[in-house]
Amino acid sequence: GAGVSQSPRYKVAKRGQDVALRCDPISGHVSLFWYQQALGQGPEFLTYFQNEAQLDKSGLPSDRFFAERPEGSVSTLKIQRTQQEDSAVYLCASSFPLAGGQRTGELFFGEGSRLTVL
Amino acid sequence: GDSVTQMEGPVTLSEEAFLTINCTYTATGYPSLFWYVQYPGEGLQLLLKATKADDKGSNKGFEATYRKETTSFHLEKGSVQVSDSAVYFCALREATSGTYKYIFGTGTRLKVLA
Repeated sequence: GAGVSQSPRYKVAKRGQDVALRCDPISGHVSLFWYQQALGQGPEFLTYFQNEAQLDKSGLPSDRFFAERPEGSVSTLKIQRTQQEDSAVYLCASSFPLAGGQRTGELFFGEGSRLTVL
Repeated sequence: GDSVTQMEGPVTLSEEAFLTINCTYTATGYPSLFWYVQYPGEGLQLLLKATKADDKGSNKGFEATYRKETTSFHLEKGSVQVSDSAVYFCALREATSGTYKYIFGTGTRLKVLA
């Protein structure tokens, strides 16, 4: 597709349930980011991939959160044993690779997956 | 660590009014600076950017200048329209982390009345 695609757009989970959120980045984009956006807040960094390599996962809030991008394109964010505090919009973004001296790095965002944990 | 602070909203203006949304940052090195906008029901999209000191980013009548001496990147528009109603996020891209991590502010909601 032309943009970053995320699914599902909305997910309601019972506390303790596992969820998986999918991100399909723009074709050819090397970099992929996951962000968490709580209501009324800005996006908070979760993790970063360059191709299939997860280069930074410092923002993942606990070991219940796991992300993968096995073939360097589609990525999945998995949350195990969901808790109410996990309720948020999960944003995926991709960007062009940084080439030579160019470091402009515009992020292209998907519309997000809104997770509600009851 | 690096951080971004922007003015709290909501900001309510009449059409054709002048807009300023303040943004200051704390960072090591020389980050790139961005304004992203989120229209109702849509994802975040880049509004403008500046990659070095004294650069001015501009788009759709919006402007922001990278001020290293005051560590600021204030967003301005001379005459807002109802269609500018949205949430605006100031962001920086870390220069030293090696992973090009982006740090966002909390967002400022703008409402423009006809």
